[in-house]
This record gives sequence, structure tokens and C-alpha cells, in this order.
Amino acid sequence: QVQLVQSGAEVKKPGASVRVSCKASGYTFTSYGISWVRQAPGQGLEWMGWITPYNGHTNYTQQLQGRVTMTTDTSTRTAYVELSGLRLDDAAVYFCARVGSGYPNYFDSWGQGTLVTVSS
Amino acid sequence: DIQMTQSPSSLSASVGDRVTITCQASQDINIYLNWYQQKPGKAPKLLIYDTSNLETGVPSRFSGSGSGTDFTFTISSLQSEDIATYYCQQYHNLPPAFGQGTQVEIK
Repeated sequence: QVQLVQSGAEVKKPGASVRVSCKASGYTFTSYGISWVRQAPGQGLEWMGWITPYNGHTNYTQQLQGRVTMTTDTSTRTAYVELSGLRLDDAAVYFCARVGSGYPNYFDSWGQGTLVTVSS
Repeated sequence: DIQMTQSPSSLSASVGDRVTITCQASQDINIYLNWYQQKPGKAPKLLIYDTSNLETGVPSRFSGSGSGTDFTFTISSLQSEDIATYYCQQYHNLPPAFGQGTQVEIK
């Protein structure tokens, strides 16, 4: 079955960077995209961006442009999101989700989430 | 960017009740609308895609309808395990956008 397993919780200081991983199994990794979605405490879902493992194409939300980088390693079937210049309001649970390869249509499988705490 | 507005933001209903949630898009999104269920401390789960298609394994008491800018999500007979927050999501345009969520509780 499709499974996305994310890395563990992180605690970072403001201004630092964080990288979260998402290891995929149960499907052909290069036939689908990976989107990243975050959820601040008690808040709704915020789309961060999308990467196509087949060719590395990315599309990021305007709000995070310049601070977010999404990559994949097809040899290990792992996707990564890195967020730099962390601010207090970046504290959230970060989810990876499988989406269509050509377009982030529906998010049909999700990782378990990674809690990122930003605190001085 | 397209904005998605859900209503109500929360509701309380009895087991067996029919529950309806609406989602309005700020512009025409055709049928490119999905619904998710999120239980506390868990990742969201896709329930319905393309407005009205039930994801595999999802109980038939869940349904969706609509097109253009106005959409409806229905639970025909609320069960205790349906306690969750429900989100709509459009993918007509980038960026994909979620509604603010509707929290469903048991009365």
C-alpha cells in the first residue's frame, strides 16, 4: 500500500533552517508529485508547494518564495522540504502528500506529519 | 489566488442526523473541488475528489455535489466516528487552496 513516512520532530531557533524528509513506498515514485502542506497550531491547511520527482520541477507558494526549497532523491524515493530564515510563525506540523505528477490535483496519501517548533 | 469559504465553521449534530457543509469559491472552479476529513492529531484523509467521486474505501454516507462556485458536502447519517474537521480544496488554479475547515461535533 502507498505509504509516506516523515522524519521526526524538530526544534529550531528563529533564523535557522529546517529540513523535513518524506520517504515513499508502495508506488512508482516518479509517476506522482509530492506536495507539502503545513498546519499551524489550531489552524487550517496551508499549501507550501509541489515537486515532480520525474524531472525535479517545482512550484512554490508566493508567500514562501525565497525561503523554501523542495527536492527529491529518486534513488531513495525520498522528498525533502527545507525552510530557511525560520520565524516564530513557521511553527507548524508539516505534511507531505502524494499528488498528480503533472499537476497538484488531489492529495490522496499523506505522511504522518512532522512538528516543527520555532523558539528562542 | 482563489479563496475558498466554508460554512459553518463548526456544527453540532446528533448521531443519525443529516449534516451539510457548504464551500464557496471566489471564482468559477468547474468541478475541481475535493473534500478531506481530519481527525485530531492525524493527517487529513481524502474523502471525495472532483466534487462528487468517492475515494476508494470511503463509506457511502459521504457525498458531494456542485459546480462552478458553490459546492456541498453531505453526511447522510452522522456516525460517532465522523467527528472531525472537514476541509474543501480547489485545484482549478495554482496555488491549490483549502477552505478554513468545518468542525463537526456530536450533540
